[in-house]
Amino acid sequence: KQEVTQIPAALSVPEGENLVLNCSFTDSAIYNLQWFRQDPGKGLTSLLLIQSSQREQTSGRLNASLDKSSGRSTLYIAASQPGDSATYLCAVGGSGGGADGLTFGKGTHLIIQP
Amino acid sequence: KAGVTQTPRYLIKTRGQQVTLSCSPISGHRSVSWYQQTPGQGLQFLFEYFSETQRNKGNFPGRFSGRQFSNSRSEMNVSTLELGDSALYLCASSLAIVGESTDTQYFGPGTRLTVL
Repeated sequence: KQEVTQIPAALSVPEGENLVLNCSFTDSAIYNLQWFRQDPGKGLTSLLLIQSSQREQTSGRLNASLDKSSGRSTLYIAASQPGDSATYLCAVGGSGGGADGLTFGKGTHLIIQP
Repeated sequence: KAGVTQTPRYLIKTRGQQVTLSCSPISGHRSVSWYQQTPGQGLQFLFEYFSETQRNKGNFPGRFSGRQFSNSRSEMNVSTLELGDSALYLCASSLAIVGESTDTQYFGPGTRLTVL
């Protein structure tokens, strides 16, 4: 059974810092990996999707990497802003035709101090 | 293009009752997935529907069921509610079946269910 772990569970940094969020998964047979953000009381917003054949994806100040063999992904946020404050969730799609849907980590609660 | 909509947004029920939640996917999306989010367990996959057929199912008891209509709208039903069913229920839509395409899933705002 796939398990996804996110470290740290919470992070508070001053505005302007670059930061890294970590995600690890136990079964390397994944189809893709996604990073989402969730704002309080709201649904999830997709940030980046990395296919299993890719190593990284970039969108603006965000960069996500994937090392399937070691079961790890990182989300790099450059020049953090208060608007980046949210919970960041990592999710993997299994290669078994989606039988388990997406498997999510429990998230990293990020606070950017103005 | 309108996003994924879920109704109702908030719901309060008592133990033993049943509840039906509704999800309207993005226009043109044929896959609808349901997830349960709780503080203790995080986000857990319930089931996925594609073209009115349940394609995948998570590890939840039979009290949790769903269906999808010809217009891709989906409903989720929970019977004989328990206190532990209190959660945020999220619906997500995509063009194709999860795990069989490069498309991402788009999530709705969720329905907050409280069971007293």
